[in-house]
Amino acid sequence: NAGVTQTPKFRVLKTGQSMTLLCAQDMNHEYMYWYRQDPGMGLRLIHYSVGEGTTAKGEVPDGYNVSRLKKQNFLLGLESAAPSQTSVYFCASNDGWGAHTDTQYFGPGTRLTVL
Amino acid sequence: AQKITQTQPGMFVQEKEAVTLDCTYDTSDQSYGLFWYKQPSSGEMIFLIYQGSYDEQNATEGRYSLNFQKARKSANLVISASQLGDSAMYFCAMRRLNTGFQKLVFGTGTRLLVSP
Repeated sequence: NAGVTQTPKFRVLKTGQSMTLLCAQDMNHEYMYWYRQDPGMGLRLIHYSVGEGTTAKGEVPDGYNVSRLKKQNFLLGLESAAPSQTSVYFCASNDGWGAHTDTQYFGPGTRLTVL
Repeated sequence: AQKITQTQPGMFVQEKEAVTLDCTYDTSDQSYGLFWYKQPSSGEMIFLIYQGSYDEQNATEGRYSLNFQKARKSANLVISASQLGDSAMYFCAMRRLNTGFQKLVFGTGTRLLVSP
């Protein structure tokens, strides 16, 4: 059982380049999330999805786009990378109902550096 | 708005001793859940323990327990019999319950170092 996987694990971009981060989950979860983690700031929600074909903005959505064409995949895109987007990106998923299944399961993270 | 505060940037504990990591929260909701996650140096976020606001008993999961004091709005994590492998960042988080969207609000974390 792979859980939540993210590709790539590391990436270095130049300012203005674009890239897509892929998140995949094999737990048949309805909800998926993208977070960024910066030093001293904890995790902040970028975008989320409550089901296939749906997306919504989180706390810090500017400069990012997302798509959820398939239930198991959630893509995060950077159209024109900026140094301020240097961060560690985490994907998470959960069922979306019930007390114990409120738990979000996280992927291993993608460390992105924008020069 | 919800807010999580973790006032301890770093904590040190000797192996086999117990340690308490502090977490206070602010919310106007009546129904909410509190979570603790562990982030080892490898980077992944690992779920440790969950406490619902209506749960009368403190949650326990093995060596982890959550000291939930609702009136004081605190949800401290207690790790008993610390092990070297417990060295990691620990994040407290909360979310509303009974809503369609489950936004988790995280604190800034506490770095725990367990020494031999």
